[in-house]
Amino acid sequence: EPEVTQTPSHQVTQMGQEVILRCVPISNHLYFYWYRQILGQKVEFLVSFYNNEISEKSEIFDDQFSVERPDGSNFTLKIRSTKLEDSAMYFCASRETGGFLIYEKLFFGSGTQLSVL
Amino acid sequence: DAKTTQPTSMDCAEGRAANLPCNHSTISGNEYVYWYRQIHSQGPQYIIHGLKNNETNEMASLIITEDRKSSTLILPHATLRDTAVYYCIVPSGSARQLTFGSGTQLTVLP
Repeated sequence: EPEVTQTPSHQVTQMGQEVILRCVPISNHLYFYWYRQILGQKVEFLVSFYNNEISEKSEIFDDQFSVERPDGSNFTLKIRSTKLEDSAMYFCASRETGGFLIYEKLFFGSGTQLSVL
Repeated sequence: DAKTTQPTSMDCAEGRAANLPCNHSTISGNEYVYWYRQIHSQGPQYIIHGLKNNETNEMASLIITEDRKSSTLILPHATLRDTAVYYCIVPSGSARQLTFGSGTQLTVLP
């Protein structure tokens, strides 16, 4: 089965530093997501991206966060100035079309564990 | 999204069927029931979804009651690798993304 690939699997950074988390969605997919999961907590939606623009974003996704699809295959999440509370597992996901969820499933990557010291 | 209620945890013996219930009494007519699972800190994995008919695939079966107010995910022959958190999700009909709750921690015992 096709896979969503995320790199790196672990990232350690100092508070205040910028980080970029990378994802390669499934090649024919059009709709992309970032979710995060703080240790012991729920999986939380951050942002969705379709047709080269943000489709929806949550309250968590503030001005410190940005997303980009720089080259038609990669999908990145940038955190401009990391805080301790940004420590979490970040999951990228994709699905085939840009319509509503009906009949579709989300494919998730295996995640990037971000640790902010 | 329609609110869903799942037990916090369940155990199942290896090789037996695991039946995971979910209540979604406020579900609307055009809303689907989705099941995902998350094996320890991995990305969530799609299992199955349905509207009103029972569904079966290579991973599981989904039984939805006639009034659609509840459903049961059935893993017919649970293995140790099925130990995971199982999420029942009912996104609104216009949703383009999923909202995860707390799910059910299923532990398959040897």
